[in-house]
Amino acid sequence: NIVMTQSPKSMSISVGDRVTMNCKASQNVYNNIAWYQQKPGKSPKLLIYYASNRYTGVPDRFTGSGSGTDFTLTINSVQAEDAAFYYCQRIYNSPFTFGSGTKLEIK
Amino acid sequence: QVQLKESGPGLVQPSQTLSLTCTVSGFSLTSNSVSWVRQPPGKGLEWMGAIWSGGSTDYNSALKSRLSISRDTSKSQVFLKMNSLQTEDTAIYFCTRWGYSSDYWGQGVMVTVSS
Repeated sequence: NIVMTQSPKSMSISVGDRVTMNCKASQNVYNNIAWYQQKPGKSPKLLIYYASNRYTGVPDRFTGSGSGTDFTLTINSVQAEDAAFYYCQRIYNSPFTFGSGTKLEIK
Repeated sequence: QVQLKESGPGLVQPSQTLSLTCTVSGFSLTSNSVSWVRQPPGKGLEWMGAIWSGGSTDYNSALKSRLSISRDTSKSQVFLKMNSLQTEDTAIYFCTRWGYSSDYWGQGVMVTVSS
């Protein structure tokens, strides 16, 4: 099975900064990646699908990129409300494995 | 609007079977697929399985021997059954609408496995 590895495990960023987090697949998954945001006590929310397509209503400061095995979620000008866990997920072909997540804290 | 809501027992005894229901509204199960995802307390997300719009199913290989997903399209309900529960199955269980990804999620239901 394909393993999705996210890095870093956590990061602490100031409001207004740019943040980049990574997701690496153990095999080529083409562009078949989604990104989710999960705030404490809440259900995850879809941010990005097929690696770079922003889901409806997602602010344009969220950008996904990458293909093959290496993917990136970038948040430009981080806001306080972006504090959350972020997960990548392989899509299109099952199993739809999740990465272990990146915790984003705001200083 | 699209909604999903999980229901089921909050407490299950070890070795027993978990039965959960996902009741959906705002979309048809014959045109959309539903997946199940779980999250142990303080841990990450685990994809469990899915039932496709055509009625076939797909399971996480780690759970396949214990897991069954079915549906009643007339009631707009999807069912999860997992047997031989252990304490490590304690988690929040979510159902999601699956298109090209999980675009809508239920609120989740907490299931504790304990005697």
